[in-house]
Amino acid sequence: DGGITQSPKYLFRKEGQNVTLSCEQNLNHDAMYWYRQDPGQGLRLIYYSQIVNDFQKGDIAEGYSVSREKKESFPLTVTSAQKNPTAFYLCASSRGGGMNTEAFFGQGTRLTVV
Amino acid sequence: AQTVTQSQPEMSVQEAETVTLSCTYDTSENNYYLFWYKQPPSRQMILVIRQEAYKQQNATENRFSVNFQKAAKSFSLKISDSQLGDTAMYFCAFMKHGTSGYALNFGKGTSLLVTP
Repeated sequence: DGGITQSPKYLFRKEGQNVTLSCEQNLNHDAMYWYRQDPGQGLRLIYYSQIVNDFQKGDIAEGYSVSREKKESFPLTVTSAQKNPTAFYLCASSRGGGMNTEAFFGQGTRLTVV
Repeated sequence: AQTVTQSQPEMSVQEAETVTLSCTYDTSENNYYLFWYKQPPSRQMILVIRQEAYKQQNATENRFSVNFQKAAKSFSLKISDSQLGDTAMYFCAFMKHGTSGYALNFGKGTSLLVTP
């Protein structure tokens, strides 16, 4: 089945440690996105990528890093510089822009930093 | 970032009734795309309906329809014959093509409760 997979579903880390969230898609989509969701804040864009080896900062990129070495994969690293990393993280992909801009979402990763 | 505003944090509607969720956005662009997404308690994001800005006709998908007012930058969602399964967070989203590709920006959401 085609889809977008985020892993793990729940992640716990100690304060000060970097952590990487996985996002893989087999939809052959060019574009991929990372969002952070906090109560009352909606979805805020962290990073997005339209093609391999290229990515752009979103609205809240500070304290995060990404890579796009393969079309299928767009991992997000939450670094120790992120002041409040505990949140629900959603990854999405889309075929690109224009008429085919429907974004498909993974099931999310709940990150808790203690 | 493009601003998407959903002014109703919470709403409730009785089963079988009609409810309208509001969304406004701010842009100077002429070509863009608008979406409504639903997030049920499972937290899986599901596309409800989409609208291309260059199309004057309002989009419809079964019980879901939009009222797109381009000049007013308004994009409301109407849910007819509400069902208990419609209980969810609803997010309005905006996408335009920029120099760095397409970025999809969301509002803060409206929590909709459908009651028996």
